[in-house]
Amino acid sequence: DTAVSQTPKYLVTQMGNDKSIKCEQNLGHDTMYWYKQDSKKFLKIMFSYNNKELIINETVPNRFSPKSPDKAHLNLHINSLELGDSAVYFCASSLRMTGPAYNEQFFGPGTRLTVL
Amino acid sequence: GEDVEQSLFLSVREGDSSVINCTYTDSSSTYLYWYKQEPGAGLQLLTYIFSNMDMKQDQRLTVLLNKKDKHLSLRIADTQTGDSAIYFCAESPSNYQLIWGAGTKLIIKP
Repeated sequence: DTAVSQTPKYLVTQMGNDKSIKCEQNLGHDTMYWYKQDSKKFLKIMFSYNNKELIINETVPNRFSPKSPDKAHLNLHINSLELGDSAVYFCASSLRMTGPAYNEQFFGPGTRLTVL
Repeated sequence: GEDVEQSLFLSVREGDSSVINCTYTDSSSTYLYWYKQEPGAGLQLLTYIFSNMDMKQDQRLTVLLNKKDKHLSLRIADTQTGDSAIYFCAESPSNYQLIWGAGTKLIIKP
């Protein structure tokens, strides 16, 4: 029973295209995240949603637009893809918003995006 | 500012102990975490420590916390080939996000 799932696992596309990555969690969590992991494995938070409300919006180009239709889903749409967008994108969820209290984040398997 | 630092690589022989170090900056972090990322997979929580503790042991894993120096370490006893992974340290200040280190790639030599 997959806790956090993402589709697709691999995405190869041309520069300038628009693509979406979907994420679903069946853990009943309130908070979901999108992370970008580059080729050097650095992990950067992009967005965080709590109960469908945007909480964190780090400095990412506005070509990236998250959408949360409900608490269990957080999708990432990317317009006008660029070479530098190539990375692995991870979705994660947690019971509540990250803060001083204990709060484990559960990660999806990642989507490897390659922009040609 | 907030920053979590780790060395990028650690190479150990199978059967030896591995010690992965991490320094953090935000003294308000009440929990500190170690996550493990195996090749081709997402991160998984390995262990964590509450800031009022200085040591936590869980089977082969020992976490040491030095709050004064803001230093966290993860010791893996009797390192096995299955321990090959990237280990991320993270702190949890009160600004609704985890602050992640760059990850330490643990390489096991036979």
